[in-house]
Amino acid sequence: KNEVEQSPQNLTAQEGEFITINCSYSVGISALHWLQQHPGGGIVSLFMLSSGKKKHGRLIATINIQEKHSSLHITASHPRDSAVYICAPGMAAGNKLTFGGGTRVLVKP
Amino acid sequence: NAGVTQTPKFQVLKTGQSMTLQCAQDMNHNSMYWYRQDPGMGLRLIYYSASEGTTDKGEVPNGYNVSRLNKREFSLRLESAAPSQTSVYFCASSSTGVYGYTFGSGTRLTVV
Repeated sequence: KNEVEQSPQNLTAQEGEFITINCSYSVGISALHWLQQHPGGGIVSLFMLSSGKKKHGRLIATINIQEKHSSLHITASHPRDSAVYICAPGMAAGNKLTFGGGTRVLVKP
Repeated sequence: NAGVTQTPKFQVLKTGQSMTLQCAQDMNHNSMYWYRQDPGMGLRLIYYSASEGTTDKGEVPNGYNVSRLNKREFSLRLESAAPSQTSVYFCASSSTGVYGYTFGSGTRLTVV
């Protein structure tokens, strides 16, 4: 069973395009994390959301707790945004994360 | 630099050998975690420690043991390594409750 579904699995965009990654989850959560992982690299936490919307630079994350859905948007995409983006709902007890399979994003110049 | 430090970064083991992965954080976080990342499987929780002195099993604990040595340090031990334990291992920490995570840079382990 997949408790966390991300779409698309792969995405190729031209520099400057608007990118959207979607995440649906079936478990009850206290917050949802969006993570970024560059090839061969470590994992960086981009956002932690429990409601509404957050913005950091060109990145925007939204969450609808009732619908169990979150989106990550990248505005004016750049080749350095090429990475795997992972949705990770978190449980209140122990703040343990469950992970989506990731979306591999490639931004071409 | 503040953060989560993992050692070693790379390791090759022979089947049956043992080793300990070390993790330390300097952010005064209560909770620490060990995850493994495998192609096609994503990240999965091995063990976690909600606070100093406590540890609990995650999704894939078999073949591993952990020690929460103090608030800063959380180690992962493979007693008898198997090829199925070939993976990238990430240590992470967070404050108690709903707070953000910080991940270590990962340990790439190969068991031959």
